[in-house]
Amino acid sequence: QKEVEQNSGPLSVPEGAIASLNCTYSDRVSQSFFWYRQYSGKSPELIMSIYSNGDKEDGRFTAQLNKASQYVSLLIRDSQPSDSATYLCAVRNSNYQLIWGAGTKLIIKP
Amino acid sequence: EAGVAQSPRYKIIEKRQSVAFWCNPISGHATLYWYQQILGQGPKLLIQFQNNGVVDDSQLPKDRFSAERLKGVDSTLKIQPAKLEDSAVYLCASSLAGSNTGELFFGEGSRLTVL
Repeated sequence: QKEVEQNSGPLSVPEGAIASLNCTYSDRVSQSFFWYRQYSGKSPELIMSIYSNGDKEDGRFTAQLNKASQYVSLLIRDSQPSDSATYLCAVRNSNYQLIWGAGTKLIIKP
Repeated sequence: EAGVAQSPRYKIIEKRQSVAFWCNPISGHATLYWYQQILGQGPKLLIQFQNNGVVDDSQLPKDRFSAERLKGVDSTLKIQPAKLEDSAVYLCASSLAGSNTGELFFGEGSRLTVL
């Protein structure tokens, strides 16, 4: 079992719809969770962080964390073509290491 | 504020040759990371420095990879001899020391092709 798992996609979503990206992790004691966006040929950039159960909203982005079920998700409302990218989930585990998922490729169709 | 600088951006070598990558982190960032990202995969940590000390190098293939950060600022990652499977993007990132935010600032990466 991988420490951080994501569906590789691609996930295709119509423009204006909600894109839902999911991530599960294996270390139950993990405390910090992050979503990075990586455009093709570019480096990752942080878009959301979440530390406690529940939802955290920032503009069109909402991160959701459920520690009991060991999953974290990212919702993108009113999806735009510019949101097309690979979304990487990263989890800081009990050893303080930042563990990365393989990413989900998101395609927003105009 | 200047970002993380990396060079070269692209490098093509033949197997068994050597290559070196350079990284200059954001000023004031004590923590520096080298990641290897193979196409279609997430970043894999090779080595993490705090100032000029190594925090984690558990996934660094030490028989061929080496890295140093002698003065606690810029860093060099070397591969010698290179193998075909080393073809990847080598990402350097930096962060504030002791930060739990997980906010790493990445350079543009160095793309290595081994023929």
